[in-house]
Amino acid sequence: NAGVTQTPKFRVLKTGQSMTLLCAQDMNHEYMYWYRQDPGMGLRLIHYSVGEGTTAKGEVPDGYNVSRLKKQNFLLGLESAAPSQTSVYFCASSYSMGQGRNTEAFFGQGTRLTVV
Amino acid sequence: ILNVEQSPQSLHVQEGDSTNFTCSFPSSNFYALHWYRWETAKSPEALFVMTLNGDEKKKGRISATLNTKEGYSYLYIKGSQPEDSATYLCASADRNSGNTPLVFGKGTRLSVIA
Repeated sequence: NAGVTQTPKFRVLKTGQSMTLLCAQDMNHEYMYWYRQDPGMGLRLIHYSVGEGTTAKGEVPDGYNVSRLKKQNFLLGLESAAPSQTSVYFCASSYSMGQGRNTEAFFGQGTRLTVV
Repeated sequence: ILNVEQSPQSLHVQEGDSTNFTCSFPSSNFYALHWYRWETAKSPEALFVMTLNGDEKKKGRISATLNTKEGYSYLYIKGSQPEDSATYLCASADRNSGNTPLVFGKGTRLSVIA
């Protein structure tokens, strides 16, 4: 059982380049999230989705876009990468009970992105 | 954005010691409190989800309590083992945040020395 799968696992970008991170879950979860993890900052929410075709901004959305065209996939895009976006990115998903807040979140393995 | 705070930021304990750490969150309009265990080079995994004041949950040597009136949760580890070394995250949500998901604390990094 795959759970939550993120691709790629590692990537190095040059400033100004674009890329898309893919998150796929096979648990039929309604809610999906993108977080970034930086030293001393914990997990900070970038964007999230409460269902297919919906997206919403989190705590640190600037410089990122997302799409949820299929229920099982949540894409995170960087249109013009900046060094400040060097981070480890985690995708997560959960069931919709309690609007996703009183059921556990399942996390992917993370994507380590370096922007030079 | 909720303010979720964890303390201490890190601690080192000897194998066999029991330990505990704290998660503080706004008590007004509380909805849910989560604890996650995050091992190095892995992804966070859920330990507990608690919603009721006075909740106590246990998984093996790890247990957690919840006080929603004063806005804190304790995580306890009894007889720490080296494999307990990890970062422990808590996350909270309130009823006013609509669809806004959980807000995470910065974590407590536990190192258990054999």
